[in-house]
This record gives sequence, C-alpha cells and structure tokens, in this order.
Amino acid sequence: RKEVEQDPGPFNVPEGATVAFNCTYSNSASQSFFWYRQDCRKEPKLLMSVYSSGNEDGRFTAQLNRASQYISLLIRDSKLSDSATYLCAVRGLGFNKFYFGSGTKLNVKP
Amino acid sequence: GAVVSQHPSWVICKSGTSVKIECRSLDFQATTMFWYRQFPKQSLMLMATSNEGSKATYEQGVEKDKFLINHASLTLSTLTVTSAHPEDSSFYICSARPSGGNTGELFFGEGSRLTVL
Repeated sequence: RKEVEQDPGPFNVPEGATVAFNCTYSNSASQSFFWYRQDCRKEPKLLMSVYSSGNEDGRFTAQLNRASQYISLLIRDSKLSDSATYLCAVRGLGFNKFYFGSGTKLNVKP
Repeated sequence: GAVVSQHPSWVICKSGTSVKIECRSLDFQATTMFWYRQFPKQSLMLMATSNEGSKATYEQGVEKDKFLINHASLTLSTLTVTSAHPEDSSFYICSARPSGGNTGELFFGEGSRLTVL
C-alpha cells in the first residue's frame, strides 16, 4: 500500500471556480503535512503546511482529518496561474522521511 | 525561504558512464538531505536519506552500489549514478531541511534531468 495517495486528476475548471483536492495517508503516526505545488518540469515548491486546526492563506485553505487520515486543499476563485500539479506530502515519525502523493493536476481554463 | 541549489540541471550521457549530481544548501546547514527520483507523470520517490558524516540510508529497492551518495559537509551532498543505463533516465531532485529548524518543511533543489542514451 502506498504511503500517500492522491487522485491524479486532471481537474479541469473554469476561472473563478472553487476546487478541492484530497489526499489520504496510511501511517497514523505521521507527524506533519504539507501541500506543494509543482509546475511542469520544475521542482516542487511549498504551498502551505497543514495544521490540525486547519489553516488558510488567501484563496487557499488546508485541512487535516486525523481520524480519517486525509488532508485536503481548497482553492477558491481559481486563477489561470493556479494551473499546476499539487502534491501532498506527509512527514513520518522521527522528523525525517517525507512521502509524496503522485500529485493532482489542475487545469484552470479561461 | 531557504535555498537549495542543484547542479547540473540537465545532463545527457552515454550508457555505461557515471554521472555526479551535486546538492548544496546555500544559506543553512543540513545534517540530512534527501534524494528523490521522479519519472514523468509520477510521484516523487524517495531514493535515500543522505547523512552528513555517515552512510546514506537507502529505501527498499534502491541499489546503493549504483546510486552512490556522499554527504561530506553540512552544505553538500552528491549523488553519483554509476554505469548509467537508459532506464536511469529521470528527474532527480534533492531536498534538505535546515538543521535545528522546527517547521519541518523540505526545501528542494531545482532538480537534475538525466538522459542516458
């Protein structure tokens, strides 16, 4: 079983739409959770950390559900520039290994 | 944010040759760095954890004699793909977390795209 699983998409949405991605993780002892954005043929860049209480950064909202072992990312008012692949990342016990989902591709269209 | 630099960005080599990729943390020290590999349209797969001053820890299925890792200083880790073959063609990305940092996030190098002919 994979450590982290994501729906690969693609999600094709019009500008201004709200879109949500989920990511499930298998290890209940996982410590920290992140969303990364990866543009085509580039390295991943941190979008936001995910806190237990949920957190928001502008149009982006991240939530964690430990009981069901999933994290989510909500993007409101989608922009063309939001088109990218979104990777969830889970840090394992011991503050060391990070595991990534396969990424969810988002295409925002005019 | 913290900066991690990787070199080279692109490399094309003949089958059977070895290729060295460098990963540097430019503005912080990192006792641990991580090497990932990403095939097209696939996830980042952790290959190994590079530990400064000691042996790297390899993930299951990753050949340590093929992917040599050296972490000689707190700011530099190198990955050498030995006797490269076309199936080793991939996007190799290093990452690091500042020593003593408590945010836990990883910072990535720009990645090295390897093509083995």
